[in-house]
Amino acid sequence: GIQVEQSPPDLILQEGANSTLRCNFSDSVNNLQWFHQNPWGQLINLFYIPSGTKQNGRLSATTVATERYSLLYISSSQTTDSGVYFCAVFSGGYNKLIFGAGTRLAVHP
Amino acid sequence: GAGVSQSPSNKVTEKGKDVELRCDPISGHTALYWYRQSLGQGLEFLIYFQGNSAPDKSGLPSDRFSAERTGGSVSTLTIQRTQQEDSAVYLCASSLPRAGGYTFGSGTRLTVV
Repeated sequence: GIQVEQSPPDLILQEGANSTLRCNFSDSVNNLQWFHQNPWGQLINLFYIPSGTKQNGRLSATTVATERYSLLYISSSQTTDSGVYFCAVFSGGYNKLIFGAGTRLAVHP
Repeated sequence: GAGVSQSPSNKVTEKGKDVELRCDPISGHTALYWYRQSLGQGLEFLIYFQGNSAPDKSGLPSDRFSAERTGGSVSTLTIQRTQQEDSAVYLCASSLPRAGGYTFGSGTRLTVV
């Protein structure tokens, strides 16, 4: 089956710093989503981005489907950005998302 | 409802007991998914329902796990004869068919003692 790899596994930032999270996938995908899981466990859909670039406030994402990777950019990080960021892809049909192992981000004041 | 609702939020059960976890999806979302997240791990797909189609059960880890969806809305995940390795957070999500945006519930934290 399709493999989804995220890097780095862990990231520590000072408030105000910028960061880039990467997601590589092993096969062509129908779409790709980025999620943020906050410290209380709630998963929030950040982007639905099968290709191209999208921006939402301090966050933006770019997917290059032909090269099988996606990047999530966090600018001017805040402590509320802490948590785990997951990349997930559909493969083949739309019956399930395959999740990466996540990037655990800690933003310190 | 406004979001995906799961109940109970926490469940502690004795090894060998059966448990039922409930998911109430967003109204109008015909696709419903169950995932499991063990401590510090990623999300493991369990089962997918789409309308009246046969569910995709390919992720269920054993025959102790089953799920149903009544009337195309509420879903129940049942774990029979629970084992300690079943301890995890069970997450439900719903979406429109063939659409990108999943909405997750807050999960049920299951602890088997």
